[in-house]
Amino acid sequence: DIQLTQSPSFLSASVGDRVTITCRASQAITNFLAWYQQKPGRAPKLLIFAASTLQSGVPSRFSGSGSGTEFTLTISSLQPEDFATYYCQQLNSYPPVTFGQGTRLEIK
Amino acid sequence: QVQLQESGPGLVKPSQTLSLTCTVSGGSINSGSYHWSWIRQPAGKGLEWIGRIYSTGRTYYNPSLKSRVTISGDTSKNQFSLKLTSVTAADTAVYYCARDGILCSGTTCYTDTFDRWGQGTLVTVSS
Repeated sequence: DIQLTQSPSFLSASVGDRVTITCRASQAITNFLAWYQQKPGRAPKLLIFAASTLQSGVPSRFSGSGSGTEFTLTISSLQPEDFATYYCQQLNSYPPVTFGQGTRLEIK
Repeated sequence: QVQLQESGPGLVKPSQTLSLTCTVSGGSINSGSYHWSWIRQPAGKGLEWIGRIYSTGRTYYNPSLKSRVTISGDTSKNQFSLKLTSVTAADTAVYYCARDGILCSGTTCYTDTFDRWGQGTLVTVSS
């Protein structure tokens, strides 16, 4: 299985901050990576696919980059509604599809 | 707008079989454009993909659960279902059904990305 490791696991930031979350794959996955946002008690929401393509309806302050084994999710200016847990997911090699362990983003 | 809704017992005894159904509205599970997956999340933990069913009825399962999992579809009801046998406390989780979208970026289209989710249902394994 391809393992995904996210860093940091926990991030404290303020409204207006620029934040970056990293996802590293245990082997190269070209750009077969997606990012999700999950708020407490809610299902995950797809933000980005193909490593850098914004899903329809997702605000442009979210962006993704990377290829191979290292990927990043960046939020350019944090809004109150962005405080959530973020997961990366690889879709290069399955079964199984795998997810990172999550990055919890909290208000400082 | 496609919507998914999980249903089934919230409490299952150890060693018994967990059975959940996902009802899809606003779209057909028979459409060749999409696949349909089950994903679970233990409390306070990350996401684990359980398996998927294609419109053809073909299935893929997570190897870690394969011996205990069956996913099936009922096109007449526009539903797909999950059965997980011989459950233990480790199977306690929120179970989500999700649609594997086909999403295109430039000239490349990507599957295996979950673009619609049910709200999730908590299943507790306890005697």
